[in-house]
Amino acid sequence: EVQLVESGGGLVKPGGSLRLSCAASGFTFSSFGMTWVRQAPGKGLECVSSISTSSTYIYYADSVKGRFTISRDNAKNSVYLQMNSLRAEDTAVYYCARISTRDRYGDFDYWGQGTLVTVSS
Amino acid sequence: EIVLTQSPDFQSVTPKEKVTITCRASQSIGTSLHWYQQKPGQSPKLLIKYASQSISGVPSRFSGSGSGTDFTLTINSLEAEDAAAYYCHQSTSLPNTFGQGTKLEIK
Repeated sequence: EVQLVESGGGLVKPGGSLRLSCAASGFTFSSFGMTWVRQAPGKGLECVSSISTSSTYIYYADSVKGRFTISRDNAKNSVYLQMNSLRAEDTAVYYCARISTRDRYGDFDYWGQGTLVTVSS
Repeated sequence: EIVLTQSPDFQSVTPKEKVTITCRASQSIGTSLHWYQQKPGQSPKLLIKYASQSISGVPSRFSGSGSGTDFTLTINSLEAEDAAAYYCHQSTSLPNTFGQGTKLEIK
């Protein structure tokens, strides 16, 4: 059974940092691209960052470029999102999802349960 | 950036009714259009991929169609458990984008 389990969310002050982790199991992690999608309270979905299987291809939304860094460790079956210089508008539930292909393009076929990030003073 | 516009934003429907949700892309995306269902308090779930391909475990009352710029998600014989928000998503080009969502309420 495919499982994606996010952790690392919490309350942080504006300008602060957080590192989100997503632990994957039930599939060959190194064969799939991975993505982080966020959802602000009561709002829709936004793809924040994506990474290909060998980390060769990485994508960032303009809203987070220069502040967030995505990475993956295929030996640990995990993907990470380092979030720096956090702003109030980054407040959201952050979902880790598997991309059905090796790259950054494709449907998001499995999703984690999400981790809440709240940026507030 | 490819903009996806869904309609309607909200629909209140009765069980057994047939529901149609549309998603229009700002430029042609072939069939790289996917549909997700998100029930309250849950993460999104893939319903239909590549416009019309069914997903294992998803009830057969859900179907998709379309290509280019116009796409449709159809729910035949709606059930109470289908109360949720529905999102379309394009993966033709970066940034991946989602529609604004359609909320279905069951009367």
